[in-house]
Amino acid sequence: GDSVTQTEGLVTLTKGLPVMLNCTYQTTYSPFLFWYVQHLNEAPKLLLKSSTDNKRTEHQGFYATLHKSSSSFHLQKSSVQLSDSALYFCALSDQGNTRKLIFGLGTTLQVQP
Amino acid sequence: EAAVTQSPRSKVAVTGGKVTLSCHQTNNHDYMYWYRQDTGHGLRLIHYSYVADSTEKGDIPDGYKASRPSQENFSLILELASLSQTAVYFCASWGGYEQYFGPGTRLTVL
Repeated sequence: GDSVTQTEGLVTLTKGLPVMLNCTYQTTYSPFLFWYVQHLNEAPKLLLKSSTDNKRTEHQGFYATLHKSSSSFHLQKSSVQLSDSALYFCALSDQGNTRKLIFGLGTTLQVQP
Repeated sequence: EAAVTQSPRSKVAVTGGKVTLSCHQTNNHDYMYWYRQDTGHGLRLIHYSYVADSTEKGDIPDGYKASRPSQENFSLILELASLSQTAVYFCASWGGYEQYFGPGTRLTVL
């Protein structure tokens, strides 16, 4: 069945450094991928989404490119800030009429001063 | 921006008791979802609905029921709460190619 894999459970970085959070997926449908961000004690919020192959999508300094050839949608930022500390989820839409999302387990990003 | 509200925001329940979590959206969205979040498990889908008076099982429906009396309201019901159902519960609705999440309900079963 469809699945999403996030390989890192925790990423710890110093402020100002670049970051890449990994996301790979498996699906038999045409993929529609999402990144959600969840700050402590808050609801998940959409950060990025894409269904277009090889096109970079950007929002709030974060960017990601859907690569269908490698089934990947990695999240990147060139310079992390303390406020970027949060839990990041990659998700895949099942593209059916249920509008369901299949979530990865999430990656916690901790940014240190 | 899409608005999804949940009540209560936190609840302490006793084992074996009945718990009802409520969700309300004002965005005219047809699709609504209930998730639970546990450390190490991400977000897991319990039930969902795409029309009033109809609900569907998600990936982990055991021990939960759902009710969709109107387009705006979607409830999650724990008939016999158990310790293992201690978690944070999120409601969401779908619109414009994204899911909008409510603020969550922290449920503690003692």
